[in-house]
Amino acid sequence: DAKTTQPTSMDCAEGRAANLPCNHSTISGNEYVYWYRQIHSQGPQYIIHGLKNNETNEMASLIITEDRKSSTLILPHATLRDTAVYYCIVRAFMYSGGGADGLTFGKGTHLIIQP
Amino acid sequence: NAGVTQTPKFQVLKTGQSMTLQCAQDMNHEYMSWYRQDPGMGLRLIHYSVGAGITDQGEVPNGYNVSRSTTEDFPLRLLSAAPSQTSVYFCASRLQETYEQYFGPGTRLTVT
Repeated sequence: DAKTTQPTSMDCAEGRAANLPCNHSTISGNEYVYWYRQIHSQGPQYIIHGLKNNETNEMASLIITEDRKSSTLILPHATLRDTAVYYCIVRAFMYSGGGADGLTFGKGTHLIIQP
Repeated sequence: NAGVTQTPKFQVLKTGQSMTLQCAQDMNHEYMSWYRQDPGMGLRLIHYSVGAGITDQGEVPNGYNVSRSTTEDFPLRLLSAAPSQTSVYFCASRLQETYEQYFGPGTRLTVT
């Protein structure tokens, strides 16, 4: 799986858009970009994923560059409850029997929403 | 749906004791996994299962056993607890065709 690079921490004012960058310059053509977050003491929560097109759901938007070497997760109107560690993960989908399962969670970005 | 449930929420063991961490999901997901998370670190995969009767090792399987007799349940057994197994344990499940995983609330285990 491709390695990802994220800033260690970021601040954002409440009500503003939070833009979290992720670099995955070695991404392969069949690898998806997944975003998860982990609020303190809770289990990780899936946010969104994409292959090459931009994606949007009720939680966030995912913008993937045309060359797919980087992406940005956008929380459009950040609230205090969005304070969490955000993980960017690149993973190829493998059908059963295709190899080791699971996602590799690195250190992520600690996003702090300021009131 | 309850999603993914884990019991117990907290557990303290003495070195050498054994115990089972329970995990259940009601979403009919084929895939289930166990991760551990140590302070300040990311999650590491312990064991996973691609369906009832099928399990395999992850990144850090030593000291743990799993079995998958039903689609719903995926217990994790600590054979002989060691202080190095002090951690927070998360169970997760997903459908076969995506890595959109659903995680349980975690079990905080302390081994003294």
